[in-house]
Amino acid sequence: GAVVSQHPSRVICKSGTSVKIECRSLDFQATTMFWYRQFPKKSLMLMATSNEGSKATYEQGVEKDKFLINHASLTLSTLTVTSAHPEDSSFYICSANTLGGLNTEAFFGQGTRLTVV
Amino acid sequence: GNSVTQMEGPVTLSEEAFLTINCTYTATGYPSLFWYVQYPGEGLQLLLKATKADDKGSNKGFEATYRKETTSFHLEKGSVQVSDSAVYFCALREGNNRLAFGKGNQVVVIP
Repeated sequence: GAVVSQHPSRVICKSGTSVKIECRSLDFQATTMFWYRQFPKKSLMLMATSNEGSKATYEQGVEKDKFLINHASLTLSTLTVTSAHPEDSSFYICSANTLGGLNTEAFFGQGTRLTVV
Repeated sequence: GNSVTQMEGPVTLSEEAFLTINCTYTATGYPSLFWYVQYPGEGLQLLLKATKADDKGSNKGFEATYRKETTSFHLEKGSVQVSDSAVYFCALREGNNRLAFGKGNQVVVIP
């Protein structure tokens, strides 16, 4: 199946710094990628939809100036957590859909564990 | 809006026991339904799916049937192994390829 690679898998940063997480579709192109946040023992919360060549669509309650999303190519989307705080510590997961319009399969990255100290 | 509900709490069972995880959904129309599995420290992997009523998805001994009349998609496996220990998420696909997830169930299989 298709592969989505997320990098880094773990990152520890200091409060106030910014962290960039990359999501790459390795063997397919994806016009749409999704970013999720997962709290301990809870489900995945959709943060935003990343659209290649246009602005991301953020879910209600997600600060777009804090979680910057860039989807510069058909194989790469990045999530930057700006001015990180300890409450931003979480597991972030991306997914990418294969091309073909609606109802295409989603493939998930392995996730990034962010710890802000 | 669309939503997915999974049974509360973790599931602990012995090896070779029968596993059932309940999943019900609320949606307009007939969305595609999925089960994803997440192993510790990893992202999600698609386990199985069903795209229309009465479809049965199956993979690795797991099965789930799309029941329109009960709006359910319960996951079952006849004989679990220790390697099946993971978190299982039920999900439905909304428009524009968005996925709505249930809360997930931690499954622990004891040797």
